[in-house]
Amino acid sequence: DAGVTQSPTHLIKTRGQHVTLRCSPISGHKSVSWYQQVLGQGPQFIFQYYEKEERGRGNFPDRFSARQFPNYSSELNVNALLLGDSALYLCASSLLYTEAFFGQGTRLTVV
Amino acid sequence: QQPVQSPQAVILREGEDAVINCSSSKALYSVHWYRQKHGEAPVFLMILLKGGEQKGHEKISASFNEKKQQSSLYLTASQLSYSGTYFCGTEIAGNTGKLIFGQGTTLQVKP
Repeated sequence: DAGVTQSPTHLIKTRGQHVTLRCSPISGHKSVSWYQQVLGQGPQFIFQYYEKEERGRGNFPDRFSARQFPNYSSELNVNALLLGDSALYLCASSLLYTEAFFGQGTRLTVV
Repeated sequence: QQPVQSPQAVILREGEDAVINCSSSKALYSVHWYRQKHGEAPVFLMILLKGGEQKGHEKISASFNEKKQQSSLYLTASQLSYSGTYFCGTEIAGNTGKLIFGQGTTLQVKP
């Protein structure tokens, strides 16, 4: 079975630009969560979606938004990129309130 | 709110044991343990729900003391493959899907 897949794997953007990151959960998993991981730190929770509804939001500015589609895949959007947004963005899928399985992540570099 | 992990780093020889601790200032609903190798996604190890249960997975086990708001991960007879950074992810309220991760414990196992 395929695990959680994220695209793209690497991305370089310029300050002020917009970025869209994509995530396909494990088949049968209806919950998708997004995390930001800065080098040397633990993942920080951004959003959780279940059945296309936002179930949780972390302490991130409104420049960050996400959505979940009927097939349970998800997109994370970040507007007006800042240098500090450079990080590894992780998507995790789960059945619901159970163990979460992470994708390989998207490495975003803002220059 | 971020749980505190200790130690921050540990170096072992193959076959030695290690304990990684995770402490929270908040009452915990569940604790999730992950291992992350450099450049890879966090890999799920185990989940512990409140109730003081202990779980095991081959030579890796964990305990959860909800009264003390602490969890410990036990690595027995460590192998080279155990090297990586270990994160505990805590869930404060039940059924939120929001994990708050500690800063990580780097484990290096040497031959």
